[in-house]
Amino acid sequence: DQQVKQNSPSLSVQEGRISILNCDYTNSMFDYFLWYKKYPAEGPTFLISISSIKDKNEDGRFTVFLNKSAKHLSLHIVPSQPGDSAVYFCAASAWAQGGSEKLVFGKGTKLTVNP
Amino acid sequence: DAGITQSPRHKVTETGTPVTLRCHQTENHRYMYWYRQDPGHGLRLIHYSYGVKDTDKGEVSDGYSVSRSKTEDFLLTLESATSSQTSVYFCAIRTEESSYNEQFFGPGTRLTVL
Repeated sequence: DQQVKQNSPSLSVQEGRISILNCDYTNSMFDYFLWYKKYPAEGPTFLISISSIKDKNEDGRFTVFLNKSAKHLSLHIVPSQPGDSAVYFCAASAWAQGGSEKLVFGKGTKLTVNP
Repeated sequence: DAGITQSPRHKVTETGTPVTLRCHQTENHRYMYWYRQDPGHGLRLIHYSYGVKDTDKGEVSDGYSVSRSKTEDFLLTLESATSSQTSVYFCAIRTEESSYNEQFFGPGTRLTVL
């Protein structure tokens, strides 16, 4: 049972345009939602996050929107740059033992930004 | 840079052999995690630790065990490797200062089981 879903395996956009990556989730108990960026042969790097009580968070070219009623979030990248080409993972934070918080990841979307 | 190293970075082994992967951190953070990444599956949690000798299972723990005898090291062991355990393994830590429960990942270990 996949709790975090990224239904688009790939996305291609032109440099300078907007990239929109989407993510859906099923568990209403998730308290934070995160986006990670991954280049080949490297570990994922944290990009931006949003609390479940917010509906928007912005950091430079990156904005994440959360629609709790639809259980949907999206990452907007404006303007897109060739260096943004990577795999983007959506993740959700859930309670775990010992005060820990575990992340549940989607399958990822490969973004290609064409010059 | 959260000071996370993983060793080895690459390993090829044969079915049925034991394998241990090491995750080392330099900043004494309490929470550590092991994930595997496979095409079409994203990252999946194998085991995690919330302190020395305190560990729990993730969603894909079958065939794996972990140990944490000191804060800085979190070991992942495949008791008898199978071809289905061919994957890229990532270690992660969560800092006590994290605002959004973000985790920071190591560079990964590519494991091939023949």
